[in-house]
Amino acid sequence: SAVISQKPSRDICQRGTSLTIQCQVDSQVTMMFWYRQQPGQSLTLIATANQGSEATYESGFVIDKFPISRPNLTFSTLTVSNMSPEDSSIYLCSVYGIRDRANYGYTFGSGTRLTVV
Amino acid sequence: DAKTTQPPSMDCAEGRAANLPCNHSTISGNEYVYWYRQIHSQGPQYIIHGLKNNETNEMASLIITEDRKSSTLILPHATLRDTAVYYCIAKDAGNMLTFGGGTRLMVKP
Repeated sequence: SAVISQKPSRDICQRGTSLTIQCQVDSQVTMMFWYRQQPGQSLTLIATANQGSEATYESGFVIDKFPISRPNLTFSTLTVSNMSPEDSSIYLCSVYGIRDRANYGYTFGSGTRLTVV
Repeated sequence: DAKTTQPPSMDCAEGRAANLPCNHSTISGNEYVYWYRQIHSQGPQYIIHGLKNNETNEMASLIITEDRKSSTLILPHATLRDTAVYYCIAKDAGNMLTFGGGTRLMVKP
């Protein structure tokens, strides 16, 4: 399966600031996604990152709060804007690509643990 | 995607088989059953998937009932490193992954 590098692995941020999370994949992938996992909860899909166009957001998530870029087939960023303590979560990048077709599986990054103080 | 129902938690003795059930009574004919697990502080990891037939790989076996309304993930010889949250997901091959609550498996010495 694809190998994902997600940075930073963790950060502590002041409320009102913004943090950009990077997701780099070692091969071209068809689809890239961003998930949020709040403390003690399951994963929730934020959006699908589309190459060269605006991301597709799930209900409850908006572009102004979570702007996403995907300039090419191997890289995407998620920005958490104007942060509040409620944004403290683990943010995960996920990909699906050619290498994954053999098992129809999705590969996940190790996540970014964000704490907003 | 069909809704899945899993017990919130289970215990298993180390070295014994862990059998994790999943109900998906509203699954449609083109929806696969996927299993992922999430070990603490890591991203979810793909385990196995199936449509109708039972499947086995180096990690686990997947048993799907004939009516496809339920399935069981089997870890044949559970180890302490298998302690994780296990997610059962029923979805069409083209759709995104939607996670439910999962089953928290605790493997005990």
